[in-house]
This record gives sequence, C-alpha cells and structure tokens, in this order.
Amino acid sequence: EVQLVESGGDLVQPGGSLRLSCAVSGFSLSTYDMNWVRQAPGKGLEWLSYISPSSSTIYYAESVNGRFTVSRDNAKNSLFLQMNSLTPEDTAVYFCAREKIAAGLDYWGRGTLVTVSS
Amino acid sequence: NVLTQSPATLSLPRGERATLSCRARETVASDWLAWYQKKSGQAPKLLVYGASNRAPGVPDRFTGSGSGTHFTLTITRLESDDSAEYYCQQYGYSYTFGRGTKLEV
Repeated sequence: EVQLVESGGDLVQPGGSLRLSCAVSGFSLSTYDMNWVRQAPGKGLEWLSYISPSSSTIYYAESVNGRFTVSRDNAKNSLFLQMNSLTPEDTAVYFCAREKIAAGLDYWGRGTLVTVSS
Repeated sequence: NVLTQSPATLSLPRGERATLSCRARETVASDWLAWYQKKSGQAPKLLVYGASNRAPGVPDRFTGSGSGTHFTLTITRLESDDSAEYYCQQYGYSYTFGRGTKLEV
C-alpha cells in the first residue's frame, strides 16, 4: 500500500525556519517525481515545489523561491522541505504528493500543519 | 498559466448533475489538466488526469472533458458524499491550481 506521511510541522516565530519531512512507503521513491503543496486556512491548494527522481531538476513557486529548499534521500525513502524566513502567510497545511508522469499527483499525504506566529 | 474555476460555490440536490468549469489563460500543454477532490482534514484525491482520464477507483459518475483552455468536470447522480472542494490543476508547464469550487450536495 502506497503511503506518504508528513512530519515536522510546528508553531514557529516569524523569521524562523522549519524542516518538513515526508516518509514514503509502498513504492520506490527513486523512480518518482515528487511535489510539495500547501493549503492555507480557508484558502485553496497552492503548488510549492517539484523535484525529479535524481534531484537534477527542481522547480519552485515564486512565493517560496529563495526561501524554501526541496531535497530527497531516496535510500531513506524520504522527501524534505527546508523552509527559511517564514512569515505568517506561510501558515498552512503542507502536503507531499507523488507525481505520476503525465498523470497528475496520484498519491498524497494527510499533511502537516505549520503555524507562523509570534 | 492562471486557471479560473467557476462557479465558486454550487449547491445541488442529491441525484442531480454538477458541472464544474476550469478555464486556462493559456493553452494547457498536452491537455495535462487534472481534477482533485478535497475534503476537510483529508488528503486531496486525484479524480481525473490528462483532462479526461479517470483515476483508478474513481466512480464513472465523475467525467472530465475539454481541451486547450476550457475544461469541465461533470458529476452525475450526486451523492451527499460528493460534498467537497474541487480543484483543477495544470501540469503541462510548471504547475498551477485553480481556486476551487465548493460543492454542497
């Protein structure tokens, strides 16, 4: 069974940093593109970042480019999102999602809550 | 590529048909357009990919159609469990989500 489990969400002060993890099981992480998506309270889904299987290609949304860094450890079946210079606008539930080539984001985790507040 | 979904909210009785629209500002490359269902506290669920391909396990009451810049998700024989937010996403060039349609059954 394919599973993705995010962790690392917490309450952090503005300007602070946080590192999210996504542990996957039921499939080989090394063969899939992966993404991070978030949903702020009362808002819609917002795509944040993409990383290819070998980490050779990485994309970011404009809203997080330069502040967030995506990475992966295929041997440990884990995906990461390093978030720096956090602002209250980054408060959201953060999801990791598996991408199937030409077929959208087919599996998602349940998300981890990040709250940025003083 | 900005995606505009309409209507923002939709309220329909059980058994009816819902038609959700997603319009792209620019042509969606290869019609790489997906639809997702999102319920509060749950992970988003992929319904349709490639504009018209139903994801595994999705009931045939859910049908995606369209190409280019105009796409539609049609849900027939509405059930109470269909109450959710529905998002379109293009993945032909980078990635963009629409703002969603809230469906109440």
